[in-house]
Amino acid sequence: QVQLQESGPGLVKPSETLSLTCTVSGGSVSSGSYYWSWIRQPPGKGLEWIGYIYYSGSTNYNPSLKSRVTISVDTSKNQFSLKLSSVTAADTAVYYCARVPFYYDFWSGYYAGAFDIWGQGTMVTVSS
Amino acid sequence: QAVLTQPASLSASPGASASLTCTLRSGINVGTYRIYWYQQKPGSPPQYLLRYKSDSDKQQGSGVPSRFSGSKDASANAGILLISGLQSEDEADYYCMIWHSSAVVFGGGTKLTVL
Repeated sequence: QVQLQESGPGLVKPSETLSLTCTVSGGSVSSGSYYWSWIRQPPGKGLEWIGYIYYSGSTNYNPSLKSRVTISVDTSKNQFSLKLSSVTAADTAVYYCARVPFYYDFWSGYYAGAFDIWGQGTMVTVSS
Repeated sequence: QAVLTQPASLSASPGASASLTCTLRSGINVGTYRIYWYQQKPGSPPQYLLRYKSDSDKQQGSGVPSRFSGSKDASANAGILLISGLQSEDEADYYCMIWHSSAVVFGGGTKLTVL
């Protein structure tokens, strides 16, 4: 079955760039049937969607983070990555990668579904 | 005003039913959205429970028991997650989600206590 695994530094200094990678196993990031997404959760708080990427490289980001976020995909490594620049303590969170399948409905056309597979998450702390 | 509003907490007794609400902001019509529900237990990622738009457009997550079901209250402009036959293992945080203008929006989450 498909599994996702986040990796990257657990500690990032303020004003620097947070970089994480999600490795996909048991499936292909090149599948045209999915978006690949990042979501985060500050300690004790709720979920915040960061953005997603399609295998072609097309992306969509949360407007509140758009100026600082870059999501990229490396099909040769079956991975996708997150970069978040100019981090502050407010960016301290558990970062999850997740998969979103597409569906087709006669009335709606193609539409994205739920985050059906998640990584276990990785805690990133922003601190000097 | 947040796009999706969930009550912060809810308590219910074992064996009873719990109705968790997800209210959409005024001007966003619940009837046009697929509402997604997730369950999250401490130290674990969220797990997809189900999707509900209408009785003809719904989806149960893989392996999710049928005692978890979705509905809508159009008069309240809200999506509803109904959990029947509550069990202690249902104690968790529950999040609703929609796709809104090609972006994902989560509700703030409801902490369900089973006692």
